[in-house]
Amino acid sequence: DTGVSQDPRHKITKRGQNVTFRCDPISEHNRLYWYRQTLGQGPEFLTYFQNEAQLEKSRLLSDRFSAERPKGSFSTLEIQRTEQGDSAMYLCASSSGHIRKETERQYTFGSGTRLTVV
Amino acid sequence: RKEVEQDPGPFNVPEGATVAFNCTYSNSASQSFFWYRQDCRKEPKLLMSVYSSGNEDGRFTAQLNRASQYISLLIRDSKLSDSATYLCVVNGTGNQFYFGTGTSLTVIP
Repeated sequence: DTGVSQDPRHKITKRGQNVTFRCDPISEHNRLYWYRQTLGQGPEFLTYFQNEAQLEKSRLLSDRFSAERPKGSFSTLEIQRTEQGDSAMYLCASSSGHIRKETERQYTFGSGTRLTVV
Repeated sequence: RKEVEQDPGPFNVPEGATVAFNCTYSNSASQSFFWYRQDCRKEPKLLMSVYSSGNEDGRFTAQLNRASQYISLLIRDSKLSDSATYLCVVNGTGNQFYFGTGTSLTVIP
């Protein structure tokens, strides 16, 4: 396990279509995060899982967005009825919740899925 | 007010120069601070954590000023390979981390 894997790397879809992205975190990491990054901006938090429980959701996560982590391992992020404003890089990150020292709780990011809605 | 603010730059510096970036954060209760580096069209990668007493890793020095709520990154003897966007990251309430917009650095031969 060399890191966080995301699939697909790129996705082009027509407006109104549904898309689903997958993230495989580092195997021993129990925390998983989804972020969205648009050009010229830093990553924006979308949602967070600890094991299979979705513990936090950003206001950015509209009702068209849903994320799951059914077995506490990989996660999926689905966007329904895509809009052009959804075009962005979707980044997944994982970290270990077993590290007690807050300053050591680092994120490892996947390479991201670049979504283009046309 | 944004949780984390950074000067987007760009900073264009010659090889060998020293360059410093600052970042301010709004949540005085934040405990975790990091600098990440992001190359064009790539994912962010951890550069270094920022500790209260300040810390150094080779040519990179990070400092934290809790009273003024800012962190800094100093790069000495800049290399061409340092060209990237540098993201300031601060934890917020709960388990989320907030990223700055990033500061773009270009090191010129």
